[in-house]
Amino acid sequence: QSVLTQPPSVSGAPGQRVTISCTGSSSNIGAGYDVHWYQHLPGTPPKLLIHDNNNRPSGVPDRFSGSKSGTSASLAITGLQAEDEADYYCQSYDSSLSGSVFGGGTKLTVL
Amino acid sequence: EVQLVESGGGLVQPGGSLRLSCSASGFTFSSFSLHWVRQAPGKGLEYVSSITSNGGTTYYADSVKGRFTMSRDNSKNTLFLQMTSLRPEDTAVYYCVKDVGQYFWSGYHWDYWGQGTLVTVSS
Repeated sequence: QSVLTQPPSVSGAPGQRVTISCTGSSSNIGAGYDVHWYQHLPGTPPKLLIHDNNNRPSGVPDRFSGSKSGTSASLAITGLQAEDEADYYCQSYDSSLSGSVFGGGTKLTVL
Repeated sequence: EVQLVESGGGLVQPGGSLRLSCSASGFTFSSFSLHWVRQAPGKGLEYVSSITSNGGTTYYADSVKGRFTMSRDNSKNTLFLQMTSLRPEDTAVYYCVKDVGQYFWSGYHWDYWGQGTLVTVSS
Protein backbone atom coordinates (compact mmCIF):
# COMPACT_ATOMS: atom_id res chain seq x y z
CA GLN A 1 0.00 0.00 0.00
CA SER A 2 1.63 3.22 -1.18
CA VAL A 3 1.49 6.38 0.91
CA LEU A 4 0.41 8.32 -2.17
CA THR A 5 -2.57 6.86 -4.02
CA GLN A 6 -2.77 6.77 -7.80
CA PRO A 7 -5.22 4.97 -10.10
CA PRO A 8 -3.62 1.77 -11.42
CA SER A 9 -4.45 2.61 -15.01
CA VAL A 10 -5.87 5.26 -17.31
CA SER A 11 -6.41 5.26 -21.04
CA GLY A 12 -7.28 7.58 -23.86
CA ALA A 13 -7.33 7.83 -27.60
CA PRO A 14 -4.71 9.77 -29.54
CA GLY A 15 -5.35 13.49 -29.29
CA GLN A 16 -7.45 13.20 -26.16
CA ARG A 17 -6.76 14.55 -22.68
CA VAL A 18 -6.21 12.37 -19.63
CA THR A 19 -5.53 13.15 -16.00
CA ILE A 20 -3.79 11.11 -13.32
CA SER A 21 -4.56 11.83 -9.70
CA CYS A 22 -2.24 11.51 -6.72
CA THR A 23 -3.86 11.58 -3.30
CA GLY A 24 -1.85 12.04 -0.14
CA SER A 25 -2.42 13.25 3.40
CA SER A 26 -1.67 16.00 5.89
CA SER A 27 1.86 14.70 6.45
CA ASN A 28 2.95 14.93 2.84
CA ILE A 29 1.10 16.82 0.09
CA GLY A 30 -1.21 18.48 2.60
CA ALA A 31 1.75 19.62 4.67
CA GLY A 32 2.91 21.77 1.77
CA TYR A 33 5.57 19.50 0.31
CA ASP A 34 5.89 19.73 -3.43
CA VAL A 35 4.74 16.97 -5.75
CA HIS A 36 6.94 15.71 -8.55
CA TRP A 37 6.01 13.45 -11.45
CA TYR A 38 8.17 10.91 -13.29
CA GLN A 39 7.57 9.09 -16.56
CA HIS A 40 8.87 5.55 -16.77
CA LEU A 41 9.18 3.82 -20.11
CA PRO A 42 10.03 0.10 -20.16
CA GLY A 43 13.75 -0.58 -20.22
CA THR A 44 14.74 2.97 -19.43
CA PRO A 45 15.26 4.84 -16.16
CA PRO A 46 12.45 7.07 -14.88
CA LYS A 47 12.51 10.61 -16.24
CA LEU A 48 11.53 13.78 -14.39
CA LEU A 49 8.37 15.11 -16.01
CA ILE A 50 7.01 17.76 -13.65
CA HIS A 51 8.68 19.22 -10.58
CA ASP A 52 7.42 21.42 -7.78
CA ASN A 53 3.78 20.70 -8.63
CA ASN A 54 3.58 22.44 -12.00
CA ASN A 55 7.02 23.07 -13.47
CA ARG A 56 8.31 21.35 -16.60
CA PRO A 57 12.02 20.67 -17.02
CA SER A 58 13.58 21.81 -20.26
CA GLY A 59 12.63 19.50 -23.09
CA VAL A 60 9.32 18.29 -21.68
CA PRO A 61 6.46 19.22 -24.03
CA ASP A 62 3.84 21.65 -22.77
CA ARG A 63 1.25 18.92 -23.33
CA PHE A 64 2.22 17.83 -19.81
CA SER A 65 1.05 19.92 -16.87
CA GLY A 66 0.64 19.49 -13.14
CA SER A 67 -1.47 20.94 -10.39
CA LYS A 68 -1.83 20.61 -6.64
CA SER A 69 -4.65 21.38 -4.24
CA GLY A 70 -5.00 20.43 -0.61
CA THR A 71 -3.87 16.85 -0.12
CA SER A 72 -3.96 15.94 -3.82
CA ALA A 73 -2.17 16.59 -7.06
CA SER A 74 -2.87 15.84 -10.69
CA LEU A 75 -0.94 15.29 -13.88
CA ALA A 76 -2.69 16.24 -17.11
CA ILE A 77 -1.64 15.14 -20.57
CA THR A 78 -3.30 16.77 -23.56
CA GLY A 79 -3.03 15.79 -27.22
CA LEU A 80 -2.21 12.19 -26.31
CA GLN A 81 0.42 10.55 -28.46
CA ALA A 82 1.41 6.90 -28.77
CA GLU A 83 4.82 7.73 -27.28
CA ASP A 84 3.13 8.83 -24.05
CA GLU A 85 2.28 5.22 -23.24
CA ALA A 86 4.25 4.64 -20.03
CA ASP A 87 4.00 4.36 -16.26
CA TYR A 88 3.65 7.61 -14.34
CA TYR A 89 4.61 8.11 -10.70
CA CYS A 90 4.01 10.95 -8.28
CA GLN A 91 6.49 11.62 -5.50
CA SER A 92 6.59 13.85 -2.44
CA TYR A 93 8.13 14.03 1.02
CA ASP A 94 6.44 12.77 4.15
CA SER A 95 7.21 14.44 7.47
CA SER A 96 5.82 11.56 9.54
CA LEU A 97 8.06 9.05 7.81
CA SER A 98 10.93 11.55 7.44
CA GLY A 99 11.49 10.29 3.93
CA SER A 100 10.28 10.52 0.36
CA VAL A 101 7.22 8.63 -0.80
CA PHE A 102 5.99 7.46 -4.19
CA GLY A 103 2.58 6.76 -5.55
CA GLY A 104 1.93 3.23 -6.72
CA GLY A 105 2.19 4.25 -10.34
CA THR A 106 -0.35 4.64 -13.12
CA LYS A 107 -0.10 2.82 -16.43
CA LEU A 108 -1.22 5.01 -19.32
CA THR A 109 -2.51 3.17 -22.36
CA VAL A 110 -2.97 5.07 -25.61
CA LEU A 111 -5.80 3.31 -27.42
CA GLU B 1 26.67 15.76 -19.04
CA VAL B 2 25.46 14.23 -15.79
CA GLN B 3 26.04 10.49 -15.59
CA LEU B 4 25.19 8.00 -12.86
CA VAL B 5 26.44 4.47 -13.45
CA GLU B 6 25.42 1.71 -11.07
CA SER B 7 27.34 -1.54 -10.68
CA GLY B 8 27.59 -4.48 -8.32
CA GLY B 9 24.29 -6.18 -8.98
CA GLY B 10 23.98 -9.90 -9.52
CA LEU B 11 22.62 -13.16 -8.21
CA VAL B 12 22.92 -13.79 -4.48
CA GLN B 13 21.45 -16.39 -2.16
CA PRO B 14 18.96 -15.49 0.55
CA GLY B 15 20.82 -14.27 3.61
CA GLY B 16 23.74 -13.12 1.50
CA SER B 17 25.29 -9.72 1.00
CA LEU B 18 25.99 -7.44 -1.93
CA ARG B 19 27.51 -3.99 -2.33
CA LEU B 20 26.18 -1.67 -5.00
CA SER B 21 28.19 1.26 -6.30
CA CYS B 22 27.15 4.32 -8.25
CA SER B 23 29.85 6.26 -10.04
CA ALA B 24 28.91 9.86 -10.79
CA SER B 25 30.23 12.47 -13.20
CA GLY B 26 29.22 15.74 -14.79
CA PHE B 27 28.29 17.62 -11.61
CA THR B 28 29.74 18.66 -8.24
CA PHE B 29 29.14 15.36 -6.48
CA SER B 30 29.67 16.69 -2.95
CA SER B 31 26.94 19.33 -3.29
CA PHE B 32 23.90 17.11 -3.65
CA SER B 33 22.04 14.50 -1.69
CA LEU B 34 21.51 11.15 -3.35
CA HIS B 35 18.99 8.34 -3.20
CA TRP B 36 18.50 4.68 -3.98
CA VAL B 37 15.18 3.61 -5.50
CA ARG B 38 14.26 0.09 -6.55
CA GLN B 39 11.70 -1.58 -8.76
CA ALA B 40 10.81 -5.22 -8.22
CA PRO B 41 9.65 -7.21 -11.27
CA GLY B 42 6.14 -6.15 -12.20
CA LYS B 43 5.94 -3.65 -9.34
CA GLY B 44 6.16 0.09 -8.95
CA LEU B 45 9.00 2.28 -7.79
CA GLU B 46 9.99 1.88 -4.15
CA TYR B 47 12.04 4.42 -2.26
CA VAL B 48 14.93 2.72 -0.45
CA SER B 49 17.33 5.23 1.12
CA SER B 50 18.82 8.71 1.06
CA ILE B 51 22.04 10.43 2.10
CA THR B 52 22.87 14.10 2.53
CA SER B 53 25.53 15.80 0.44
CA ASN B 54 28.22 15.47 3.12
CA GLY B 55 27.22 11.93 4.01
CA GLY B 56 26.41 12.92 7.56
CA THR B 57 22.76 11.85 7.60
CA THR B 58 21.03 8.86 6.07
CA TYR B 59 17.46 7.61 5.91
CA TYR B 60 16.13 4.15 5.20
CA ALA B 61 12.72 2.81 4.33
CA ASP B 62 11.35 0.42 6.95
CA SER B 63 11.65 -2.47 4.50
CA VAL B 64 15.47 -2.23 4.51
CA LYS B 65 16.25 -0.58 7.83
CA GLY B 66 18.88 -2.48 9.79
CA ARG B 67 19.93 -4.49 6.74
CA PHE B 68 21.09 -1.86 4.22
CA THR B 69 23.72 0.83 4.74
CA MET B 70 24.13 3.78 2.41
CA SER B 71 27.40 5.71 2.22
CA ARG B 72 29.34 7.95 -0.14
CA ASP B 73 32.95 8.84 -0.92
CA ASN B 74 32.95 12.43 -2.09
CA SER B 75 36.65 12.23 -2.97
CA LYS B 76 35.85 9.49 -5.50
CA ASN B 77 32.40 10.68 -6.64
CA THR B 78 30.94 7.35 -5.66
CA LEU B 79 27.80 6.27 -3.82
CA PHE B 80 27.42 2.90 -2.14
CA LEU B 81 24.66 0.64 -0.87
CA GLN B 82 25.77 -2.22 1.34
CA MET B 83 23.02 -4.83 1.44
CA THR B 84 23.05 -7.65 3.99
CA SER B 85 20.61 -10.35 5.07
CA LEU B 86 19.12 -10.23 1.60
CA ARG B 87 15.65 -11.65 1.03
CA PRO B 88 13.88 -12.77 -2.14
CA GLU B 89 11.68 -9.69 -1.90
CA ASP B 90 14.78 -7.52 -2.33
CA THR B 91 14.98 -8.72 -5.92
CA ALA B 92 14.74 -5.58 -8.03
CA VAL B 93 16.46 -3.13 -10.31
CA TYR B 94 18.22 -0.61 -8.09
CA TYR B 95 18.53 2.97 -9.31
CA CYS B 96 20.93 5.64 -8.09
CA VAL B 97 19.22 9.04 -8.19
CA LYS B 98 20.50 12.60 -7.82
CA ASP B 99 18.65 15.25 -5.81
CA VAL B 100 18.75 18.94 -6.71
CA GLY B 101 19.45 19.88 -3.08
CA GLN B 102 21.92 19.16 -0.29
CA TYR B 103 19.41 17.82 2.21
CA PHE B 104 16.91 15.12 1.28
CA TRP B 105 14.33 16.36 3.80
CA SER B 106 13.78 19.52 1.74
CA GLY B 107 11.42 17.60 -0.52
CA TYR B 108 13.13 18.81 -3.67
CA HIS B 109 12.85 16.88 -6.90
CA TRP B 110 15.29 14.36 -8.29
CA ASP B 111 16.70 15.29 -11.67
CA TYR B 112 18.90 12.41 -12.83
CA TRP B 113 18.58 8.64 -12.62
CA GLY B 114 21.13 5.96 -13.42
CA GLN B 115 20.31 3.07 -15.74
CA GLY B 116 19.94 0.70 -12.79
CA THR B 117 21.54 -2.56 -11.71
CA LEU B 118 19.64 -5.80 -11.23
CA VAL B 119 19.82 -7.63 -7.91
CA THR B 120 18.37 -11.13 -7.82
CA VAL B 121 18.02 -12.92 -4.50
CA SER B 122 17.36 -16.59 -5.08
CA SER B 123 18.64 -20.02 -4.12
